Amino acid sequence: AQSVTQPDIHITVSEGASLELRCNYSYGATPYLFWYVQSPGQGLQLLLKYFSGDTLVQGIKGFEAEFKRSQSSFNLRKPSVHWSDAAEYFCAVAGDTGRRALTFGSGTRLQVQP
Amino acid sequence: EAQVTQNPRYLITVTGKKLTVTCSQNMNHEYMSWYRQDPGLGLRQIYYSMNVEVTDKGDVPEGYKVSRKEKRNFPLILESPSPNQTSLYFCASSLSLGTAQKLFFGSGTQLSVL
Repeated sequence: AQSVTQPDIHITVSEGASLELRCNYSYGATPYLFWYVQSPGQGLQLLLKYFSGDTLVQGIKGFEAEFKRSQSSFNLRKPSVHWSDAAEYFCAVAGDTGRRALTFGSGTRLQVQP
Repeated sequence: EAQVTQNPRYLITVTGKKLTVTCSQNMNHEYMSWYRQDPGLGLRQIYYSMNVEVTDKGDVPEGYKVSRKEKRNFPLILESPSPNQTSLYFCASSLSLGTAQKLFFGSGTQLSVL
């Protein structure tokens, strides 16, 4: 079965600082990997996705993520965080054939200090 | 505007009183899904539907029912709600092949069962 681990429940960074949110997945074959963001009181919005090809993927809002098969990781990065990036971030994996289901991690809440 | 609409946004009910949370999408999407979000657990899939009259259980289907009589609508039914179903619920849809395509999320329904 597929699974996702986000080891950091809560992260605080200063505005303008760099950001890296960790995500580790478990799946036997090449997974489909996603990062979603949830702003307060809102539904989830897709930031970026990885299916195949270049292991460094670019997303919206200046985010990028790198797929590392050897580490089973798909960490999300941003070089300079803005106050509006404060939100909860979810990593997700898909791969179970026939189920077409996303499995989400438990989320990382990002707080941005001025 | 392309969107997934859930109603109501907030709902307080009592144990055993049947309720329905509606979900509608205007994008002609084939795939629709319901998730519940609980602190520390991320999003867990309740039910999903690949198309009209095609539904299947997700990871946590107990105590829930769904129907897909029309392509645009995918209501979530709680026949006899219990306090452990207090949660934040999200409906989502995608064009097809749910995992491979971008999921669009509704704004959520916060349910409290007393």
